[in-house]
Amino acid sequence: DSGVTQTPKHLITATGQRVTLRCSPRSGDLSVYWYQQSLDQGLQFLIQYYNGEERAKGNILERFSAQQFPDLHSELNLSSLELGDSALYFCASRPPGWANTEAFFGQGTRLTVV
Amino acid sequence: DAKTTQPPSMDCAEGRAANLPCNHSTISGNEYVYWYRQIHSQGPQYIIHGLKNNETNEMASLIITEDRKSSTLILPHATLRDTAVYYCIVRVANFGNEKLTFGTGTRLTIIP
Repeated sequence: DSGVTQTPKHLITATGQRVTLRCSPRSGDLSVYWYQQSLDQGLQFLIQYYNGEERAKGNILERFSAQQFPDLHSELNLSSLELGDSALYFCASRPPGWANTEAFFGQGTRLTVV
Repeated sequence: DAKTTQPPSMDCAEGRAANLPCNHSTISGNEYVYWYRQIHSQGPQYIIHGLKNNETNEMASLIITEDRKSSTLILPHATLRDTAVYYCIVRVANFGNEKLTFGTGTRLTIIP
């Protein structure tokens, strides 16, 4: 158990819909990262938040957005869903203070768009 | 971040040492080498990282060549539970640039 909690574990929704994925980082971790893993793309970095502020952006679509709340949990919002958005979405967190520490990943949310 | 090259797949007999190579010939002086693994579709798991010295922890050893252009992850006594995709990642360890760029990794299969 990494200490990072993601909910829900599975999500099935229709094209055009909107979903919200939730991530609770390890206690004390200020950084939250979101990754997408689809069959043909591997693990792709989407976005990072640090203590409530966006820190880095990767290949995140405009239909996707994220935020980190004062209690440090984060949500990834996916809208106007397409079949190609079906993937595993992972959240990771890192402890503060050291740039070369490891990231701890949650068990992911499997999103299926039908 | 520097790119890495890993063999797509490897087999190793259970109980033997698994040696996973990684080439990172364009690595810069301030870039660390990280190893993660992903078992089936679970979240990636951190294994070890290093800058230029060899490192060892309870999971594995990391051997980095003197010129830092390649490294080897060693699982000393592989078990069936070590079957996974192993990712070698290099990145600068500074604030504001902490994302991990995953490649395609090496699919390690431990054979009974």
